[in-house]
Amino acid sequence: SQKIEQNSEALNIQEGKTATLTCNYTNYSPAYLQWYRQDPGRGPVFLLLIRENEKEKRKERLKVTFDTTLKQSLFHITASQPADSATYLCALRYNFNKFYFGSGTKLNVKP
Amino acid sequence: DVKVTQSSRYLVKRTGEKVFLECVQDMDHENMFWYRQDPGLGLRLIYFSYDVKMKEKGDIPEGYSVSREKKERFSLILESASTNQTSMYLCASSLRSGSGADTQYFGPGTRLTVL
Repeated sequence: SQKIEQNSEALNIQEGKTATLTCNYTNYSPAYLQWYRQDPGRGPVFLLLIRENEKEKRKERLKVTFDTTLKQSLFHITASQPADSATYLCALRYNFNKFYFGSGTKLNVKP
Repeated sequence: DVKVTQSSRYLVKRTGEKVFLECVQDMDHENMFWYRQDPGLGLRLIYFSYDVKMKEKGDIPEGYSVSREKKERFSLILESASTNQTSMYLCASSLRSGSGADTQYFGPGTRLTVL
């Protein structure tokens, strides 16, 4: 079955720096890949989507890249703020009903 | 704004009890999903429904069943709860878009403890 790896260790960075989170997957590439944010005690919230034929997507301070050769997506938050502290999940969509989520990486942005 | 609500935030049940988790969405979405979330394992799909009375098994359907009698409501049923079903349960909904790029909207989750 599909395996998705996100760094299980928390990422600690200083306010104002760029946070970079990684999502690696095995086997075949998905039709598209999504990134979600999850705060403690809440459900995930959609942030960005990138398709398999796209290299990069941006939305305000967020940027996602997708490299099907490396089987990897990178998620960047520029000019990070303490309010960006949360767990970030990547999700891979293969076909009609096949979604696979990573276990997430916790980001801590220190003031 | 899309709203997905779940009937309980916290639930404590005993082994062997029948448990119902309810999910309601207010945006006329066709697709609805039930996941469980456990530390280190991510979200795992239990069941999925793409229309009223339609359902498909996800990756871990054993020990669960679902019901979708109305478009806005999707219920998860634990026929006989066991301690290994202690988990956070998340419901989600999405449009059945032609592009296939459906964003999922999640509820707040139900933390179920089975004693």
